[in-house]
Amino acid sequence: GIQVEQSPPDLILQEGANSTLRCNFSDSVNNLQWFHQNPWGQLINLFYIPSGTKQNGRLSATTVATERYSLLYISSSQTTDSGVYFCAVETSYDKVIFGPGTSLSVIP
Amino acid sequence: KAGVTQTPRYLIKTRGQQVTLSCSPISGHRSVSWYQQTPGQGLQFLFEYFSETQRNKGNFPGRFSGRQFSNSRSEMNVSTLELGDSALYLCASSLTRVGTQYFGPGTRLLVL
Repeated sequence: GIQVEQSPPDLILQEGANSTLRCNFSDSVNNLQWFHQNPWGQLINLFYIPSGTKQNGRLSATTVATERYSLLYISSSQTTDSGVYFCAVETSYDKVIFGPGTSLSVIP
Repeated sequence: KAGVTQTPRYLIKTRGQQVTLSCSPISGHRSVSWYQQTPGQGLQFLFEYFSETQRNKGNFPGRFSGRQFSNSRSEMNVSTLELGDSALYLCASSLTRVGTQYFGPGTRLLVL
């Protein structure tokens, strides 16, 4: 099946800093989503982005499907951004496959 | 619009018992998927139901089963519980089989 990798695995930021999270996948995908899991375990959908670029406030995401990667940008980070960020892909053969996640800690 | 709800939120069972978890999707959503999250294996897909039919199944033993009712509510059952079944079980719903998934808060299962 498809392999999904995320980098970096861990990230510590000072409040106000910017960051880029990366998701690489080994095969063509039908869908790609970015999620944020808060410290209480709730998964929140950030972007549904099989291709192209989307922005939502301080967050934006770009997926280059032909090169099999997606990027999540976080600008002016806040402590509430802390948590784990997952990308998840779906192919014609595999239901949603999650990457291992990037654990983000934003310190004041 | 109410979000995805899961009951119970927390559960403690002993080895060998069975457990049933419930998921109520967002109103109008017909697809319900279940996931298991553990520290060791991360997030793994269990199965997907759409219009009361199982459409896809992950790589889990037959002890894990589920069903979906006509109102799109779904249940999953785990029989003969093992210590390794301790996990956060997440349910997600979407309008169709392809599209944005919305997750519930999860059920934390501890098997002793």
